[in-house]
Amino acid sequence: EAGVAQSPRYKIIEKRQSVAFWCNPISGHATLYWYQQILGQGPKLLIQFQNNGVVDDSQLPKDRFSAERLKGVDSTLKIQPAKLEDSAVYLCASSDTGNTEAFFGQGTRLTVV
Amino acid sequence: AQKVTQAQTEISVVEKEDVTLDCVYETRDTTYYLFWYKQPPSGELVFLIRRNSFDEQNEISGRYSWNFQKSTSSFNFTITASQVVDSAVYFCALSENSGGGADGLTFGKGTHLIIQP
Repeated sequence: EAGVAQSPRYKIIEKRQSVAFWCNPISGHATLYWYQQILGQGPKLLIQFQNNGVVDDSQLPKDRFSAERLKGVDSTLKIQPAKLEDSAVYLCASSDTGNTEAFFGQGTRLTVV
Repeated sequence: AQKVTQAQTEISVVEKEDVTLDCVYETRDTTYYLFWYKQPPSGELVFLIRRNSFDEQNEISGRYSWNFQKSTSSFNFTITASQVVDSAVYFCALSENSGGGADGLTFGKGTHLIIQP
């Protein structure tokens, strides 16, 4: 079974530029999550989708971050404009319907300079 | 609001020693789920165990064991006879159950475990 796929693996941008990350969840998983992991900290939930609807985006900085899940499968997370403090690893995860464990992708390491 | 505390920032032991990673959680829900994930240097989070709030039985899987105590809101993780390959950052996490679907995870800050040969 293929895991959660994310791209790119690494990205370096200048502050005030925009960037987008892509995630393809495990086939059939209805729930998709985006997490932000700053160096030395645990991942923090940014947004949770159930199919193509948003379940929780309470910790998403909506003035600069946006996310969508196309047709309930792939998802993109965008930052515009980026700030230095956005430097982090962005992790995508997916889970099956119900209270099951989430499977994580390898993440995208973003460096804002 | 939920919270997960991993007070041990870093632990270093010599190979073959036993080591316990502590996790204390806070939640107002009566139904919740507790998790442990391993994050090796490659960066990918690897699922280790999930426990629901109604099941306080301890669990053993090979060299790994987990002790869940609701009375102290703790979910500790023990590695017996540690090996160098166990070196990683370990995260404890909590998910509350509202409306029938699992919420996203609230993670602790992680414990960096170093196993010295």
